[in-house]
Amino acid sequence: QVQLQQWGAGLLKPSETLSLTCAVYGGSFSGYYWNWIRQSPGKGLEWIGEINHSGSANYNPSLKSRATITVDTSLNQFSLKLRSVTAADTAVYYCQGSAWSFAFDYWGRGTLVTVSS
Amino acid sequence: DVVMTQSPLSLPVTLGQPASISCWSSQSLVYTDGNTYLNWFQQRPGQSPRRLIYKVSNRDSGVPDRFSGSGSGTDFTLKISRVEAEDVGVYFCMQGTHWPYTFGQGTKLEIK
Repeated sequence: QVQLQQWGAGLLKPSETLSLTCAVYGGSFSGYYWNWIRQSPGKGLEWIGEINHSGSANYNPSLKSRATITVDTSLNQFSLKLRSVTAADTAVYYCQGSAWSFAFDYWGRGTLVTVSS
Repeated sequence: DVVMTQSPLSLPVTLGQPASISCWSSQSLVYTDGNTYLNWFQQRPGQSPRRLIYKVSNRDSGVPDRFSGSGSGTDFTLKISRVEAEDVGVYFCMQGTHWPYTFGQGTKLEIK
């Protein structure tokens, strides 16, 4: 059974960098998309970006190039960095593994990230 | 960005009765490969979302067969044939055809 375990700092000051990591246990890392999604009361669910096992990533343009997603296949981990955070980046951040054409969907438990001075 | 619109936003249902949620997209969700990447997610209170349906009508592993998806182009529907207590939560449609992927605003299902 695939499990995703995520961790990272939950309290940041404006202008700092958000850093989260997600480890994948119990399954292959290749052949799927590894995603970061956030959820806030004001904006609902928002897709941040995705990466595959070879490191090819796509980002939501709304983040204005502040996001970077990387993958470490030797550790079966992928990570998110979001630079220059503001209060608008306060949200629960989820990591997810998915396939869009067959049954594969696994989520981390979510990390509440609060940006406050 | 593709706008996903759901209706209703609140859905009170009697146990054992059917339920239906509609989702419309601002553009066709048919991809160049001929597939339609429309997904449905369930988020129970206090939990992470969980995908129920992918490519309009395919159930994910472990999803009860009382859940079904249908639709094409820009109009889609999630149906629950007989609502059970464990179905309480928020349901989201999500398109994976056009980047960036986008979600609907969510439909909150509650038991009457």
